[in-house]
Amino acid sequence: GENVEQHPSTLSVQEGDSAVIKCTYSDSASNYFPWYKQELGKRPQLIIDIRSNVGEKKDQRIAVTLNKTAKHFSLHITETQPEDSAVYFCAASMGGNGGSQGNLIFGKGTKLSVKP
Amino acid sequence: DGGITQSPKYLFRKEGQNVTLSCEQNLNHDAMYWYRQDPGQGLRLIYYSQIVNDFQKGDIAEGYSVSREKKESFPLTVTSAQKNPTAFYLCASSIRGGAGNTIYFGEGSWLTVV
Repeated sequence: GENVEQHPSTLSVQEGDSAVIKCTYSDSASNYFPWYKQELGKRPQLIIDIRSNVGEKKDQRIAVTLNKTAKHFSLHITETQPEDSAVYFCAASMGGNGGSQGNLIFGKGTKLSVKP
Repeated sequence: DGGITQSPKYLFRKEGQNVTLSCEQNLNHDAMYWYRQDPGQGLRLIYYSQIVNDFQKGDIAEGYSVSREKKESFPLTVTSAQKNPTAFYLCASSIRGGAGNTIYFGEGSWLTVV
């Protein structure tokens, strides 16, 4: 089955710097890669996602890149702010529909701390 | 998102007891999911349901049970067979099951064994 590795587990940056979180996946059939942000004690919320037919997607200060050949994808946050501090999860969804193929497999998360 | 309601927010269970966590959604989503979250472990899938009256085991189903008698509701029972139930439980839904459908989470329920 699919396996998703996420690095680093913790990341500390100064306000205004960039932050990069990387994930690798094992199943080449995976075709959907969302990123979730979870603040302490709250629900994970989708912040951006990418599908396998594109290599990069941007939304203001957030971007995601996908390298299908290498089977890795990354989250880039520019001009970080203290409110970006949270745990970020990547996930991958196996290709196909029905059965368990569409279920998301999550990485273990990255705790991002943005210091003022 | 805001249309997924979990209750209770906090629950304490004595050893040997079964407890049921409620999850209701008003998003008209076909698919619903239960995840367990432990520190440093990410989110692990317990059970999922792609349609009413049907559900499937996820990666860590042992010691849990579910039902899907109504489209809006997907309760999770943590049985006494679950040896380490203390965790944060998240219910989620998506418009359909299968690949590429965005999953939305409820606020979560904290379960503690005392």
